Amino acid sequence: SQQGEEDPQALSIQEGENATMNCSYKTSINNLQWYRQNSGRGLVHLILIRSNEREKHSGRLRVTLDTSKKSSSLLITASRAADTASYFCATAELYGNKLVFGAGTILRVKS
Amino acid sequence: GAGVSQTPSNKVTEKGKYVELRCDPISGHTALYWYRQSLGQGPEFLIYFQGTGAADDSGLPNDRFFAVRPEGSVSTLKIQRTERGDSAVYLCASSLRAGGRETQYFGPGTRLLVL
Repeated sequence: SQQGEEDPQALSIQEGENATMNCSYKTSINNLQWYRQNSGRGLVHLILIRSNEREKHSGRLRVTLDTSKKSSSLLITASRAADTASYFCATAELYGNKLVFGAGTILRVKS
Repeated sequence: GAGVSQTPSNKVTEKGKYVELRCDPISGHTALYWYRQSLGQGPEFLIYFQGTGAADDSGLPNDRFFAVRPEGSVSTLKIQRTERGDSAVYLCASSLRAGGRETQYFGPGTRLLVL
């Protein structure tokens, strides 16, 4: 079963705009990770934020984590056509090893 | 170095047949994971290996599914008496060590189609 929900399910923006995707989860976690997937194949790891962190940056990516609300957001600034992909959040259990993924957000960046 | 590799890329089989899917993790990674992704969904955990042993197989849907990692490196996911509902992309991932703190690196997946 999947841990949480992501919204929106799909997002279409113009190149240069910012894209924000949200993720909610249900249980206590060790960390939350964001992945990108192109064409339904391999997942590319983007960023990991630990449960004691509130915000993290990596290039054009900004991730926030609110453990009190059990939610996270991924912001992609100055989007490019190459950012078109599906984006998934995944939570790592507090005392486990597996990742539990959300259903993903499909992002389309139009040039 | 090389990433996680999976073979075959695509597999078409008939209902009732047996299939094997192979995963080569990143060299030196001790933990290996299998996930299954159905169309329009996120990946779902199947099984996790620490070394040669299956440390958590709670995600395997039924006893038709089995996985091995005999030498602590390459892993094979085996599906007996395949059903149409087994059609999905099967993803393998590895991490340097076990534990939720570790980043998991995914392979390109094997797309299985059961006719």
